[in-house]
Amino acid sequence: QKEVEQNSGPLSVPEGAIASLNCTYSDRGSQSFFWYRQYSGKSPELIMSIYSNGDKEDGRFTAQLNKASQYVSLLIRDSQPSDSATYLCAVKVASGTYKYIFGTGTRLKVLA
Amino acid sequence: AAGVIQSPRHLIKEKRETATLKCYPIPRHDTVYWYQQGPGQDPQFLISFYEKMQSDKGSIPDRFSAQQFSDYHSELNMSSLELGDSALYFCASSVTGEHNSPLHFGNGTRLTVT
Repeated sequence: QKEVEQNSGPLSVPEGAIASLNCTYSDRGSQSFFWYRQYSGKSPELIMSIYSNGDKEDGRFTAQLNKASQYVSLLIRDSQPSDSATYLCAVKVASGTYKYIFGTGTRLKVLA
Repeated sequence: AAGVIQSPRHLIKEKRETATLKCYPIPRHDTVYWYQQGPGQDPQFLISFYEKMQSDKGSIPDRFSAQQFSDYHSELNMSSLELGDSALYFCASSVTGEHNSPLHFGNGTRLTVT
């Protein structure tokens, strides 16, 4: 079992809809959780971070964290074609040193 | 705001050659990470440095080595290049003491081995 798991997709949603991206992790010592957006051939770009249970909203993005279920999600409201990208879930774990473990990413396609 | 700077952006090498990738972290970031990303794959952790000392090692081949210098810039040295080394190589930096500190990525170096 991978330490951080995501559905690889592609996840296709129509323009204006809500896109829901999910991520589960195995290490209960995970401290911080991040969502990155990556366009093909480009570097990952941080779009959301969350550290406490519950929801965190930033514009059209909402991150949700449930540490008991070891689950973190990203909701994108009013999806736009420009949101089409791969979304990487990253988990920061303290194990002597800090490590960032990435999921394999979910490819999102927003259909115009 | 200053970002992570990587050079070169593109690099083409032949099999068995060597390559050196450079990374300049965000000022005051004390930790540098190197990742390798093949086509359609997630970033694979190679190695990290904290305050110029190697702090963690991932799936870095023995043919690769890295170091962090006194000015905090880091270099990834790759020898005896193989076709399978063709990938995007990202450097990222963060502040280790802040557990909420995210990774900030550079624009990457695209290495093509022919």
